Amino acid sequence: AQKITQTQPGMFVQEKEAVTLDCTYDTSDPSYGLFWYKQPSSGEMIFLIYQGSYDQQNATEGRYSLNFQKARKSANLVISASQLGDSAMYFCAMSGSNFGNEKLTFGTGTRLTIIP
Amino acid sequence: NAGVTQTPKFQVLKTGQSMTLQCAQDMNHEYMSWYRQDPGMGLRLIHYSVGAGITDQGEVPNGYNVSRSTTEDFPLRLLSAAPSQTSVYFCASSSPVGTEAFFGQGTRLTVV
Repeated sequence: AQKITQTQPGMFVQEKEAVTLDCTYDTSDPSYGLFWYKQPSSGEMIFLIYQGSYDQQNATEGRYSLNFQKARKSANLVISASQLGDSAMYFCAMSGSNFGNEKLTFGTGTRLTIIP
Repeated sequence: NAGVTQTPKFQVLKTGQSMTLQCAQDMNHEYMSWYRQDPGMGLRLIHYSVGAGITDQGEVPNGYNVSRSTTEDFPLRLLSAAPSQTSVYFCASSSPVGTEAFFGQGTRLTVV
C-alpha cells in the first residue's frame, strides 16, 4: 500500500521568505508520480507541480520547485519568495502503480500562513 | 473550457435519503475519480474509472455506488445517506498520458 506523510500541520512564514513543505512517501512500485496541490480557503484544488519517479531533474514551475530525493523517499515543495496569496492548505499526493493518475493517495496537508 | 463540473455545490440530506452527485468533464479524459475530504484526513479515494463501463473501488467505497456510461460523466450515488457521509466530495479527471489530475470545485454534503 502507498502512503504519504506530511509532518507539518501548520507553518508560519514571513512574506518574501522561501518556504519548504515536507513530504515523504512509501511505495514498492518503481513507477509513480508525485504531485503537490494547493487548496485556498475557497476550497478548490489547484495543481502546482509534478515529478515522475524516473525524472532525473527536479521539477520546477515558476516559484515552485520539487526537491525530489528518491533514496530518502522525499518530495518536498519549495516556494521561493513567498507571497500573501500563498496562504493555503498544501497537499502532497502520489499516483498509483505505473503512474496511475486515477488513484491518488494524499497526505493530510500542511496549512501555510504567510505573515506580512 | 469548463474542465470538471460538479453539481450541486452544497446539499443537505436527511439520514436515509438518497441522492446523486453529478460530475462531468469536457476534456475527453479516460480516467475519472471521486474523493472525499474530511478534516485532518486529506482526500481519500472512493471510486474510480479508467473508461466508460469500467469502475473500481478505492479506499472508502462503502455506502457509495458509481457507474460510467459515457466518457464525460461519472455520477456518485448515495443510496441511504448516513451522518458519517458528511464531507466535501471532489471529482477528478485525468489522462493516462497526462501529469495532472483536474479537480472539480467540490460538493459540500451535510447529512443530518
